[in-house]
Amino acid sequence: SQKIEQNSEALNIQEGKTATLTCNYTNYSPAYLQWYRQDPGRGPVFLLLIRENEKEKRKERLKVTFDTTLKQSLFHITASQPADSATYLCALPDAGGYQKVTFGTGTKLQVIP
Amino acid sequence: DSGVTQTPKHLITATGQRVTLRCSPRSGDLSVYWYQQSLDQGLQFLIQYYNGEERAKGNILERFSAQQFPDLHSELNLSSLELGDSALYFCASSPSSTRKSYEQYFGPGTRLTVT
Repeated sequence: SQKIEQNSEALNIQEGKTATLTCNYTNYSPAYLQWYRQDPGRGPVFLLLIRENEKEKRKERLKVTFDTTLKQSLFHITASQPADSATYLCALPDAGGYQKVTFGTGTKLQVIP
Repeated sequence: DSGVTQTPKHLITATGQRVTLRCSPRSGDLSVYWYQQSLDQGLQFLIQYYNGEERAKGNILERFSAQQFPDLHSELNLSSLELGDSALYFCASSPSSTRKSYEQYFGPGTRLTVT
């Protein structure tokens, strides 16, 4: 299965700034990559999916990039708000499979007012 | 609200016991996944069912089993429970693979405490 690396250290940023989270993978190139948000004690919530032939995807204040050469995805939240504080997980499908994914351990984001 | 329901919300039981966790997927979703999340740990994939058939298996213990019924709801059975089985158990569903829609919708989880 895919080995996924997300920064395990919490990311603290000031309200209004852009938060950038990183997801690196080390094995095969996935057909797509997903980002989820998880609040403490709650189930993850799907945010965005980016396919291997897409360089960038946007949704409101969220932007995801996908660099298959670097084997990396960046997740940006612009004009961050305290309500954006949560753990953000990336997820990649297994080789040959399109539905089963492996989740990274996530990066905890704290937006400071 | 994701549309995925899980019962019970909380479960407290003793070591050696057996419990059943229940999940109802979103209307129309054929795939159901089960995950385990221990305290401050990542999501560990247990098993996936698609339209009643087992599709993929993770590091699921032999003491654990699951099934998906004709009405598409799923149950996860945990037996001979150990203290280390205490965790949040999530169910997720996703649409048919033919729609090439791969996002997963998670339920609220069942918090299992083994004493």
